Amino acid sequence: GQQLNQSPQSMFIQEGEDVSMNCTSSSIFNTWLWYKQDPGEGPVLLIALYKAGELTSNGRLTAQFGITRKDSFLNISASIPSDVGIYFCAGPNAGNNRKLIWGLGTSLAVNP
Amino acid sequence: EAQVTQNPRYLITVTGKKLTVTCSQNMNHEYMSWYRQDPGLGLRQIYYSMNVEVTDKGDVPEGYKVSRKEKRNFPLILESPSPNQTSLYFCASSLSRIRRERPDTQYFGPGTRLTVL
Repeated sequence: GQQLNQSPQSMFIQEGEDVSMNCTSSSIFNTWLWYKQDPGEGPVLLIALYKAGELTSNGRLTAQFGITRKDSFLNISASIPSDVGIYFCAGPNAGNNRKLIWGLGTSLAVNP
Repeated sequence: EAQVTQNPRYLITVTGKKLTVTCSQNMNHEYMSWYRQDPGLGLRQIYYSMNVEVTDKGDVPEGYKVSRKEKRNFPLILESPSPNQTSLYFCASSLSRIRRERPDTQYFGPGTRLTVL
């Protein structure tokens, strides 16, 4: 079945550093979604990507929809302590786009 | 304020004692879903509902029941909880059951941390 592989699994960085994480799949996705889960909260949608090659920003966050449609990248520039959390990529199931396939997440810790 | 609410937020119970976790959304969303989150396993869907009286199994439905008698509410029922159901549970909702080209944004509740002894 469809699977999403996220890497790295976790990151420990200094405040001010840039962060890069990615999500890959063996199958094609038509939409890539990036969610963030703050500690003790539910996930919140950060960025949605709908076209191959698309580059979308949300403040210091930038995400790209890979040309092959089998990957996506999320970058965070100049990290701050509130960037701490788990970042999930997700994409719609091929047969039912209200059912999402989720990656296992990238856990980000920021050292002030 | 548009939101998904879950109750309780924390629950410790014993094996076999039936419990219900409530979920309510005030956004008139048609689609609702329950997930469990476990370390190393990410978010796994338990059940989902496309509309009132329409529910279907997700990836890990065993040991759970749901109902959707009203649009706003989607309770998760554990008839006979077991320790392997100790987890963090999230309810989520999104706008439409109509098949669209793009998936609607899912809005998540704050989570319910369940411990079954």
